[in-house]
Amino acid sequence: EAQVTQNPRYLITVTGKKLTVTCSQNMNHEYMSWYRQDPGLGLRQIYYSMNVEVTDKGDVPEGYKVSRKEKRNFPLILESPSPNQTSLYFCASRPSGTYEQFFGPGTRLTVL
Amino acid sequence: GENVEQHPSTLSVQEGDSAVIKCTYSDSASNYFPWYKQELGKRPQLIIDIRSNVGEKKDQRIAVTLNKTAKHFSLHITETQPEDSAVYFCAARYYGGSQGNLIFGKGTKLSVKP
Repeated sequence: EAQVTQNPRYLITVTGKKLTVTCSQNMNHEYMSWYRQDPGLGLRQIYYSMNVEVTDKGDVPEGYKVSRKEKRNFPLILESPSPNQTSLYFCASRPSGTYEQFFGPGTRLTVL
Repeated sequence: GENVEQHPSTLSVQEGDSAVIKCTYSDSASNYFPWYKQELGKRPQLIIDIRSNVGEKKDQRIAVTLNKTAKHFSLHITETQPEDSAVYFCAARYYGGSQGNLIFGKGTKLSVKP
């Protein structure tokens, strides 16, 4: 089944404890993105990647890192999480040359 | 920066009535305008999209209209049903970045009352 997966789905952590949220897609898509969703603010892009080893900042990149070592994986790294990073995070992918994005199931992160 | 404004933020209708959600965008180069539906606890899913060379597109009870001159587009849902209750997001493809990223509106929470 073609899909985007994220892990973990739920995470409660404490300020300053490094964490990684994984994202994987099995559709051979070139383009992958990370978004955060907050009430009243919609979906805001954190980082995106056009292909392996090619990444760029989105609208709200501060406090986040990403890497794209393999085409299928695009992990989101929070080196030192803070409470303002408490949010719902979505990974998404799409093939190059098309516009429709496919979203993962989301990761609800709480930073205490 | 580029912006997509979406109105209203909440919308309540009776079952069977129509619902209209409106969005405006700022990047005149935008050429792709999708609408996503997000049910409670679920991921956003594309329900309809329109490209700038088309003024209107329909898919059963859902339609989207685009006015490029005024830089606004709208989602129309006819004969609403309780299962249409969800948060709807509009988006516009922004060309300020290198790959034409999507800029999303803040969402409209639609409630359809039986």
